[in-house]
Amino acid sequence: AQSVAQPEDQVKVAEGNPLTVKCTYSVSGNPYLFWYVQYPNRGLQFLLKYITGDNLVKGSYGFEAEFNKSQTSFHLKKPSALVSDSALYFCAVSSESGGSYIPTFGRGTSLIVHP
Amino acid sequence: NAGVTQTPKFQVLKTGQSMTLQCAQDMNHEYMSWYRQDPGMGLRLIHYSVGAGITDQGEVPNGYNVSRSTTEDFPLRLLSAAPSQTSVYFCASSLETYRGTHPEAFFGQGTRLTVV
Repeated sequence: AQSVAQPEDQVKVAEGNPLTVKCTYSVSGNPYLFWYVQYPNRGLQFLLKYITGDNLVKGSYGFEAEFNKSQTSFHLKKPSALVSDSALYFCAVSSESGGSYIPTFGRGTSLIVHP
Repeated sequence: NAGVTQTPKFQVLKTGQSMTLQCAQDMNHEYMSWYRQDPGMGLRLIHYSVGAGITDQGEVPNGYNVSRSTTEDFPLRLLSAAPSQTSVYFCASSLETYRGTHPEAFFGQGTRLTVV
């Protein structure tokens, strides 16, 4: 079975400061990791993914994420937060288990960026 | 392209009623799935399909049925609505995973369902 943990329900940062949203995963086999963002009353939008290769992945809107195999983590980062980054962020993992690659999502982390 | 379209956007049902949530995508995606989103629970997979004529259960399938007669459509049926099915429902689609590609999912805007 595959699973994702987002240990923080909420992260608060000041505008201009760096932000980190944490994610750890558990899979048997190779993990394929994703971050999505959800704005109020909207569906999820894809930010970035790690499949293989470079552990640092760059995505949309200046976000990046670092894959750490030994710590089974895939934390989302941004060097300088914007108020408009305030949203709900979901980490997801997929793998070959069960014969399909349908992702499993974490519970989500609410990011609040204050002026 | 419209992407993933869900209808209706809002629905109120009485306990015991049945209804179908519609989902259509125009991207020729093989994979389609239904999730429910509840506070503090994240997204939980209800049912999914890897192609027309093929469906399978996810984490929380009880009380829901699906079918996939065409590539484009993946309706979710509530057989006898219960208050525990009050939730926001999201449909998602993606290309199939093939030769090392792991495409991202595209989501609809959701259906907010209340069962009273």
